[in-house]
Amino acid sequence: GEDVEQSLFLSVREGDSSVINCTYTDSSSTYLYWYKQEPGAGLQLLTYIFSNMDMKQDQRLTVLLNKKDKHLSLRIADTQTGDSAIYFCAPQVGSSYKLIFGSGTRLLVRP
Amino acid sequence: GAVVSQHPSWVICKSGTSVKIECRSLDFQATTMFWYRQFPKQSLMLMATSNEGSKATYEQGVEKDKFLINHASLTLSTLTVTSAHPEDSSFYICSARQANEQFFGPGTRLTVL
Repeated sequence: GEDVEQSLFLSVREGDSSVINCTYTDSSSTYLYWYKQEPGAGLQLLTYIFSNMDMKQDQRLTVLLNKKDKHLSLRIADTQTGDSAIYFCAPQVGSSYKLIFGSGTRLLVRP
Repeated sequence: GAVVSQHPSWVICKSGTSVKIECRSLDFQATTMFWYRQFPKQSLMLMATSNEGSKATYEQGVEKDKFLINHASLTLSTLTVTSAHPEDSSFYICSARQANEQFFGPGTRLTVL
């Protein structure tokens, strides 16, 4: 079945940029999403990219998509302590509305 | 963004009892809602797709008689964990679809004693 891989942990200093990477196997994913989860809470939709795009920028967030390599990344500029959370990559399964989630990357922002 | 609520936010029950969890889209109508389960420090596992006015579609390995899903209106889906056992203890999260986006509820933590 479909699989999504993410590195488990990332630590950055406040003010630096963070880059969270994700690889996936379903080449037919139409939309690919990034979600943020804080402890004990639900998921917050951060941004998403359509599969025919290479890049999407939304304020401090930049999403890069390499469809050939099935690689998705999320860059957070000027990372703040409030950005500390778990970030999930979630490609859509083909053209269905189902999402497959990666394991999540825990981002720790050090003061 | 759109708002999705869940009720209750946490519940503790005895083994053998049934628990109902509600998922509501507060400011939009959702023909499709999803139910996920999340174990501690793990990812979300899709349990089922809930379609308004029709039967839910369950993922492989999820018992439909154990996890009853009802989507009676465009703003409400319910998940009932029947005859709950300690292994059903988990964080249950729902989401509601609006166009190409899925908005998630805050989750319900179920603890079965």
